[in-house]
Amino acid sequence: EAGVTQFPSHSVIEKGQTVTLRCDPISGHDNLYWYRRVMGKEIKFLLHFVKESKQDESGMPNNRFLAERTGGTYSTLKVQPAELEDSGVYFCASSQSGFGTEAFFGQGTRLTVV
Amino acid sequence: GQQVMQIPQYQHVQEGEDFTTYCNSSTTLSNIQWYKQRPGGHPVFLIQLVKSGEVKKQKRLTFQFGEAKKNSSLHITATQTTDVGTYFCASQRGTALIFGKGTTLSVSS
Repeated sequence: EAGVTQFPSHSVIEKGQTVTLRCDPISGHDNLYWYRRVMGKEIKFLLHFVKESKQDESGMPNNRFLAERTGGTYSTLKVQPAELEDSGVYFCASSQSGFGTEAFFGQGTRLTVV
Repeated sequence: GQQVMQIPQYQHVQEGEDFTTYCNSSTTLSNIQWYKQRPGGHPVFLIQLVKSGEVKKQKRLTFQFGEAKKNSSLHITATQTTDVGTYFCASQRGTALIFGKGTTLSVSS
C-alpha cells in the first residue's frame, strides 16, 4: 500500500512568487491534514479536510495560503505571494477516521523562500 | 492556542541513560498520541493512549496516561543512539490533531 506522498520534496522560490504543494493521501483516508514545521520547532497545525470539506482551517496563517481538496482525493496548498517567513517543511498527513486514529505523514516539502 | 505543553524542549543523554518527556494539559484530554521524528524525517506514529491511568510498553519505551487524563509521559530505558530525534505528543482538538512542541533527544556514545 502506498503511503502519503508529497510533491515536490524541495522548492526554492523568490519572495513574491507562487508555489503549489501537492499531497496524495493514503487511498481511502477521508481525513487529510496540513502541518508546517519551521526551523525544527513545533509541528504547527494548518488545516484539516474531511473528504473535500474544510473541517478546521484555524491554523492557516493568512489569506496568502489556499488549500483545496477537490473530489476528496489529493490536496494542494498554494502560497501566493510567498514571504520569507513561509519557509519551512510542510507536512501532509492522512487518517482513516478523524478521531483517535493514527495519522500517517508524508515525507514533507521543504520550502525555502529567498 | 497550544493544547498541550511538552517538556523539556531539549535533552542530551549519554548512551545507556534513561530519558523522559512529559506532556501536560490544563484540560482533560480524550486521548493522546505519541510520534517520533528522526532528523530529516517525518513524524511516525508510536502509540495512542485512551484510558485513564493507562500504561503501554514497546520494548524500552514506556508510555503513561495520567489518572486525570491531563498529562502523559514517554520514558525510554537505556537509551541508544538510534533513539535520537524529536518526540511529540499530540491530542485531539475537535477533529484536528494538535501537536506539542516536542522534545528533541540527542544521545552521545
